[in-house]
Formats: sequence, C-alpha cells, structure tokens
Amino acid sequence: GEDVEQSLFLSVREGDSSVINCTYTDSSSTYLYWYKQEPGAGLQLLTYIFSNMDMKQDQRLTVLLNKKDKHLSLRIADTQTGDSAIYFCAESPGGATNKLIFGTGTLLAVQP
Amino acid sequence: GAVVSQHPSRVICKSGTSVKIECRSLDFQATTMFWYRQFPKKSLMLMATSNEGSKATYEQGVEKDKFLINHASLTLSTLTVTSAHPEDSSFYICSANPRQSYGYTFGSGTRLTVV
Repeated sequence: GEDVEQSLFLSVREGDSSVINCTYTDSSSTYLYWYKQEPGAGLQLLTYIFSNMDMKQDQRLTVLLNKKDKHLSLRIADTQTGDSAIYFCAESPGGATNKLIFGTGTLLAVQP
Repeated sequence: GAVVSQHPSRVICKSGTSVKIECRSLDFQATTMFWYRQFPKKSLMLMATSNEGSKATYEQGVEKDKFLINHASLTLSTLTVTSAHPEDSSFYICSANPRQSYGYTFGSGTRLTVV
C-alpha cells in the first residue's frame, strides 16, 4: 500500500527540541519531503532529502533518513511558538516527479 | 523562488452551482500541476494530475465529470467543481514542481463551502 504514517500529535516546551517521525512505504522514493501547514494556509516546503543521504541539516532543521527501516524524522532545534503547525512528510513513489504521497500529519503544539 | 498562486482563497456557493479555482505558476512553467483535497484534520489526498495540452489523470475514486480540470497553458491550471454539493466542501490545494530537485511548491489553498 501507499500509507505514510506519522504520530498525530506532539507537544513540547519552547526552547526544547522537537522530533517528528514518519514511516513511509515505497523504498524507491527518490526524494522525501517535510512540509509545514499553518491553520487555513497552504503547504510550505521546509526541507527535502535525497534517498542516498542519511542526514541533512538546514539551520534549526535536521532530517534523518533510515532507508532500511523506511523511517524519516525531522528534528527542530530550539522550538519556538511560531513552529506550532501541522507537519507532513511526503514521499515521491517510484522515483517519479508525478505525485506526492502525504503522511497523516503531526500537529506540533509548542507551549510557552 | 518558485511561486504558485491560487485563487480564490475562500468561496461560498449554493448547492447546484459550479465553482472554478485557478492555479498559476508565477515565475516558472509547469507542464504538470497537481490538485489535492484536504478534509478537516486530515492529510492531503491527490485528486488528479493536470497535464498541459492533454487530459488530466484522475486518481481512483475521483469523478472526472464532477471535478473538471483544464490546463490550457504552461502557467495555468483550473479546477471546476460542477454541480457542487455540501459534501464537496473542503480545502483544495494545487501544486507544481519547478524542477525535480527543488521540491513541490503549493498554492495557498481554496476553502470551498457549499451551502
């Protein structure tokens, strides 16, 4: 199947690190993505990782990829209240650019 | 950076009427655009792939006659919800990929409410 799974909810305190996990299904996915969605808004691309990489860091964001276990994670360092949003991971099955399969989304709540 | 503009952002219509949603790539050409639907507190479901100059490719379970897609130019795709019903109320989002390594860019979404 093409189910991409995430935990539904994560609550952290401001200043702590957040780790959002994702399990995907298609081992041939060339790129894996993390998107952020604020209430009533579209999706903002946060970062992506190519399937031959294990880790990618971009400022406060760190993506880890375990291809063997088909596990992807997003770590947000020094989480701020402005980081509160829904985070979606997405895979591009078959290595094609034709469509994205989205995860179920994780609601991140940052407590002041 | 690549920008996808989507209009309108919000629309309320009566049952039985049709609504057109536009998706434009502002600074790049997109031979392919994608239309997603998002239910409240749910993930995004791909509805169809819009192909410039040819027919759209619909995902299983999506009614072609209900959700008409037209991709007449390299920068514009439209989704028309025909004979809208309250169950069509949802958040519709379009996207395009400027180039494979960049990542998909999404429009800001359209909140459709059918009354």
